[in-house]
Amino acid sequence: DTEVTQTPKHLVMGMTNKKSLKCEQHMGHRAMYWYKQKAKKPPELMFVYSYEKLSINESVPSRFSPECPNSSLLNLHLHALQPEDSALYLCASSQEGGGRSHNIQYFGAGTRLSVL
Amino acid sequence: AQSVTQLGSHVSVSEGALVLLRCNYSSSVPPYLFWYVQYPNQGLQLLLKYTSAATLVKGINGFEAEFKKSETSFHLTKPSAHMSDAAEYFCAVSVGYEKLTFGTGTRLTIIP
Repeated sequence: DTEVTQTPKHLVMGMTNKKSLKCEQHMGHRAMYWYKQKAKKPPELMFVYSYEKLSINESVPSRFSPECPNSSLLNLHLHALQPEDSALYLCASSQEGGGRSHNIQYFGAGTRLSVL
Repeated sequence: AQSVTQLGSHVSVSEGALVLLRCNYSSSVPPYLFWYVQYPNQGLQLLLKYTSAATLVKGINGFEAEFKKSETSFHLTKPSAHMSDAAEYFCAVSVGYEKLTFGTGTRLTIIP
């Protein structure tokens, strides 16, 4: 099973709302990722968690707050977003953290976020 | 820093014709290279990866890619296109840690 599950599939929120995106994998992977993808663009890395610790933050605004409660779960908390934050948010996982760059990243189907 | 360049943002081929999607990389150390496919409203699915074991890499759905160090290329090919191959294709490079750097993508259209 190579499934990464993301919920919800779609989310509409106002600029004053607080919401969370959820990502789950049961493959025993120790690295998990958040990407942002705008229409007709490649995914852009936001955060990497390796062994449940934040290892990469690509200078993402603080209105995005990641959380890794355990090795299977990754959340992205959203607060006071702007309309330009509307995008497809993708979660991915890979077998090992710690700099093993040849590990394959498995992607979820994404959450399509609209900020009004 | 590592990077990839995908030549051609849109490629159209007839059903049954050869598919060729181009990717050139830039890296100061031996790279790990990947091709991912994204169907509409879906996440990314790995087609194949190069990790220095063999220069000709076979992937899923009949796709393959050849690593050519002298040309710094990793082009994706498929001998005979199917309608189901219509999608967005991304080349990506990873060096040193988990970070993937994606190319800008190539949208493949199949003409019946």
